[in-house]
Amino acid sequence: DAKTTQPNSMESNEEEPVHLPCNHSTISGTDYIHWYRQLPSQGPEYVIHGLTSNVNNRMASLAIAEDRKSSTLILHRATLRDAAVYYCIPITQGGSEKLVFGKGTKLTVNP
Amino acid sequence: GAVVSQHPSWVICKSGTSVKIECRSLDFQATTMFWYRQFPKQSLMLMATSNEGSKATYEQGVEKDKFLINHASLTLSTLTVTSAHPEDSSFYICSARDWQAFNYGYTFGSGTRLTVV
Repeated sequence: DAKTTQPNSMESNEEEPVHLPCNHSTISGTDYIHWYRQLPSQGPEYVIHGLTSNVNNRMASLAIAEDRKSSTLILHRATLRDAAVYYCIPITQGGSEKLVFGKGTKLTVNP
Repeated sequence: GAVVSQHPSWVICKSGTSVKIECRSLDFQATTMFWYRQFPKQSLMLMATSNEGSKATYEQGVEKDKFLINHASLTLSTLTVTSAHPEDSSFYICSARDWQAFNYGYTFGSGTRLTVV
């Protein structure tokens, strides 16, 4: 499994954009990059995933570096409900398909 | 979107007893489900992969005789913590993926908080 490096914590103000980085320099060519978040005392929640191209959905945007060794999850306007631990996880399609969680980034959103 | 239901949400049991946790995929079939454990202020730790109709695959260091997994149908996997002890107290979470909905990732249950007294 590809290893990931994320900041332990980040802080943002409400209504401002947030850029959450993830380094996955050992990613293989067939690994998709998944992002999940976990609010306190809840199961994780899917946010977004992508392979090479940047992706957008109603929750966030995912910017993937051209060499695929890093990616950035973008929350366009942070709200208090976005305060959570965010995890980026490379997954090999057609492999074990296991989601192995790292330590993630704890995002604090200030009112 | 895909929904995974986990039951119970919390349970308190006496030391030495067994506890069963259910994980259901409500609107899709799941040949594979995953079980995680999470201790306070730590990340999720994958315990095992539950395979419909066959034996579960356990991660290194997870006692298969203590954490019994049964995946008897395409929508239900159960985790039984046998002879529970206080150190088994944790937050247990299951997960599955709806392969028919490619644009979605993995869906997680809401978790079960187990307290062994």
